[in-house]
Amino acid sequence: QQQVKQSPQSLIVQKGGISIINCAYENTAFDYFPWYQQFPGKGPALLIAIRPDVSEKKEGRFTISFNKSAKQFSLHIMDSQPGDSATYFCAASDDYKLSFGAGTTVTVRA
Amino acid sequence: NAGVTQTPKFRILKIGQSMTLQCTQDMNHNYMYWYRQDPGMGLKLIYYSVGAGITDKGEVPNGYNVSRSTTEDFPLRLELAAPSQTSVYFCASSNGVSRAKNIQYFGAGTRLSVL
Repeated sequence: QQQVKQSPQSLIVQKGGISIINCAYENTAFDYFPWYQQFPGKGPALLIAIRPDVSEKKEGRFTISFNKSAKQFSLHIMDSQPGDSATYFCAASDDYKLSFGAGTTVTVRA
Repeated sequence: NAGVTQTPKFRILKIGQSMTLQCTQDMNHNYMYWYRQDPGMGLKLIYYSVGAGITDKGEVPNGYNVSRSTTEDFPLRLELAAPSQTSVYFCASSNGVSRAKNIQYFGAGTRLSVL
């Protein structure tokens, strides 16, 4: 049973456009929500993370929006670039283990 | 700085064979993890360890075994390989200082096919 549900499975965006990936969870004990980025043939790497006491966190072109009451959070990639083409995983944790979403493959067309 | 190193990168096994996937980290992290990644399924936790001599099951432990004799190494053992174990395996580590800073660092993965 997937503890974190992620959508869409894949998306295609034009260079300069906005990519939006959504995640939802049920376990209210989760208190740490990271996003990982994975390039083909590589391991995932932490991109950005948020705690539930804030509603938004921005790092460069990447923004996490968090809605605690709806138990949802999302990743926005602004001004998408071809180098952003990768698979993105949301995750959640209430201890030192992470529960991952199924992943979203983002393709940025030049 | 090597980080998390996994060997081998690729392996083909026959049904019923056994093998050990190696993982070592040079960051002096206490916490180590093994995941498997299947298409469209995300990463599933197989086993994890909070320090040398301490291991525990994750979400999908059946068919696997682990040991943690040193801080650096966390090998994953497959006994009697089955086609269902065809997957990409990732090892990760974290310092476990606090949950909010539980950044997990991943190796490059081992791609395993069981035929």
